[in-house]
Amino acid sequence: AQSVTQPDIHITVSEGASLELRCNYSYGATPYLFWYVQSPGQGLQLLLKYFSGDTLVQGIKGFEAEFKRSQSSFNLRKPSVHWSDAAEYFCAVGRRGLTGGGNKLTFGTGTQLKVEL
Amino acid sequence: SQTIHQWPATLVQPVGSPLSLECTVEGTSNPNLYWYRQAAGRGLQLLFYSVGIGQISSEVPQNLSASRPQDRQFILSSKKLLLSDSGFYLCAWNKGSGETQYFGPGTRLLVL
Repeated sequence: AQSVTQPDIHITVSEGASLELRCNYSYGATPYLFWYVQSPGQGLQLLLKYFSGDTLVQGIKGFEAEFKRSQSSFNLRKPSVHWSDAAEYFCAVGRRGLTGGGNKLTFGTGTQLKVEL
Repeated sequence: SQTIHQWPATLVQPVGSPLSLECTVEGTSNPNLYWYRQAAGRGLQLLFYSVGIGQISSEVPQNLSASRPQDRQFILSSKKLLLSDSGFYLCAWNKGSGETQYFGPGTRLLVL
């Protein structure tokens, strides 16, 4: 079964500093990979996704993530954090090759980002 | 463009009472629909998914059930709520296997 680990429950960074949120997955083949962001009391917004091709993917709000097959990782990065980036971030893995429709995602437990001014 | 709605936004219910949460999608047809529950510090857990009207798959045994009476409507129900049913319930949709899931705004349920 697929699984996702986000080892950092909380991260605090200063505004303007760089950010890296870690995500490791367990899956027998190349998965679909996603990063979502959730503001308090809100639904999830897609930041970026990896399906195939270039392993460095660009997303919204200046975020990027790199798929590293050898490390089973999909870490999220941002060169300069803004106070509005404070939120909870979720990494998710989807399975390939499903028949009969549907794409069940497995989510990590999330990383809460705090930004100090 | 497509939009997804959830109703109600917040709900406080006594233990043992029934539950009905609604999710509707606009601007698309025959979507895959999903119900997730988010408990504090535990990420999102997939509860049910549906690939068509009347087709429901359950991911975890629990006190809840789901129904899809119309193409773009997904209902989460319970006959008798438990304290452990408290949480944030999210509905999502996508088109086709492997496509990105898009989430609704969520319903916060507190069972007292």
